[in-house]
Amino acid sequence: EPEVTQTPSHQVTQMGQEVILRCVPISNHLYFYWYRQILGQKVEFLVSFYNNEISEKSEIFDDQFSVERPDGSNFTLKIRSTKLEDSAMYFCASASGAYEQYFGPGTRLTVT
Amino acid sequence: GIQVEQSPPDLILQEGANSTLRCNFSDSVNNLQWFHQNPWGQLINLFYIPSGTKQNGRLSATTVATERYSLLYISSSQTTDSGVYFCAVVQNTGFQKLVFGTGTRLLVSP
Repeated sequence: EPEVTQTPSHQVTQMGQEVILRCVPISNHLYFYWYRQILGQKVEFLVSFYNNEISEKSEIFDDQFSVERPDGSNFTLKIRSTKLEDSAMYFCASASGAYEQYFGPGTRLTVT
Repeated sequence: GIQVEQSPPDLILQEGANSTLRCNFSDSVNNLQWFHQNPWGQLINLFYIPSGTKQNGRLSATTVATERYSLLYISSSQTTDSGVYFCAVVQNTGFQKLVFGTGTRLLVSP
C-alpha cells in the first residue's frame, strides 16, 4: 500500500541553524501539507501546497519557513533560522483531492 | 475558526472493555478523519468519515454532520489500542486544512 515517507526521523540542530525536512508524498497525490505538533499538544496546520504554490498558510508559517517541491517526488519544509520553540514533531501529509489526507511518520525536530 | 472538542480527555480501560469517544465541532465540515497516535508519535489513519457509519474490525465510527458530532467506538479493547485518538475536520470554506481536536488519551491495562 502506498505511503507517505519522511526523512530524517529525528533531527537535532542548534538554535539559528537552517534545517530541511523532507517528505515523499504518495505518487498520484496533488495536495501536500505540513503540520506540526509540539510535545503534549494537538496537531496544528502549517501550510498547504497545490499546483506548485502555497494555497493556504497559518500564522505560524512566517518568513522563517518555506516549502518547495524541487522535483516530481519530494516535498520539503525549510526553517531558515531555528528557534527553541520550533522543537516539535513535523508531519507531512498528502491527498489526491479534497478527501482523506494521509500522514507520514513524522520528523522529530529538537532545537538546542 | 472552527472549534473541535473531544471527550473525554482521558480514559482508562481494562482490556476487553468497550468505549465511546466523542468529537464535537462548531461549524459545517466537508471532511472528518479519526487518527490514532501511537507511542512512537505516528498518526495512523482510522477513518475518513464526513458522514454516515463505517466499521473496521473492532473499531467503528459514526458522523452526524447535521448535529456536528462524530463518535468512535472501540470494542473489546486491547493494550495495543493505547495512545491518543484525534478527531480532525476540514471546515466547509473551500480550504482543505485539517483542524485537530485536543485528543482523547486512552490507556488500556491488561
